[in-house]
Amino acid sequence: EIVMTQSPATLSVSPGERATLSCRASQSVSSNLAWYQQKPGQAPRLLIYGASTRATGIPARFSGSGSGTEFTLTISSLQSEDFAVYYCQQYNNWPRPFGGGTKVEIK
Amino acid sequence: EVQLVESGGVVVQPGGSLRLSCAASGFTFDDYTMHWVRQAPGKGLEWVSLISWDGGSTYYADSVKGRFTISRDNSKNSLYLQMNSLRTEDTALYYCAKEASGYYLNYWGQGTLVTVSS
Repeated sequence: EIVMTQSPATLSVSPGERATLSCRASQSVSSNLAWYQQKPGQAPRLLIYGASTRATGIPARFSGSGSGTEFTLTISSLQSEDFAVYYCQQYNNWPRPFGGGTKVEIK
Repeated sequence: EVQLVESGGVVVQPGGSLRLSCAASGFTFDDYTMHWVRQAPGKGLEWVSLISWDGGSTYYADSVKGRFTISRDNSKNSLYLQMNSLRTEDTALYYCAKEASGYYLNYWGQGTLVTVSS
């Protein structure tokens, strides 16, 4: 079974700064990786699929990269609405585990 | 507009049973695979189960295999999760989610809360 590991668990960033979040798979998932954003009290929202394709309506400041086992989500210039928890999920194999999440908080 | 509305979450005793429902609208329900994902209080997301468009294929997380059963009624645009032998660790907000053609989850409901407690 594939294990998804996200780091760091918490990232403290000032508004306007860049945030870089990592996701590692225990075995290759090709480019079959998605990123989701979850704000307090809300359902998760799809940000990125195919490791690097932004979902509909997602601002260009969000970008994804990587393939195989190493993936990165970059938020180029953090806005107030971006402070949230971010999860990665692989959909290359069964089952479909999520990573443990990275909380992006205001520094 | 795609809408997914979960219902059925209640407080139930350990060992009890419960059936969750998810009413779907705004898309052709029987074209898509559907999922259940849960989130324990203050914790991360845990994928639970999925069912193919026609109900012919189902998959489960090891943590619920043999206790939970996913099903769907395409004539009613509805997804279900039958939960048996409930444990305290099954306490969570349960989300229904729609799978896109590319296998990721592109729409989520707002969730229904299941509390397993004596």
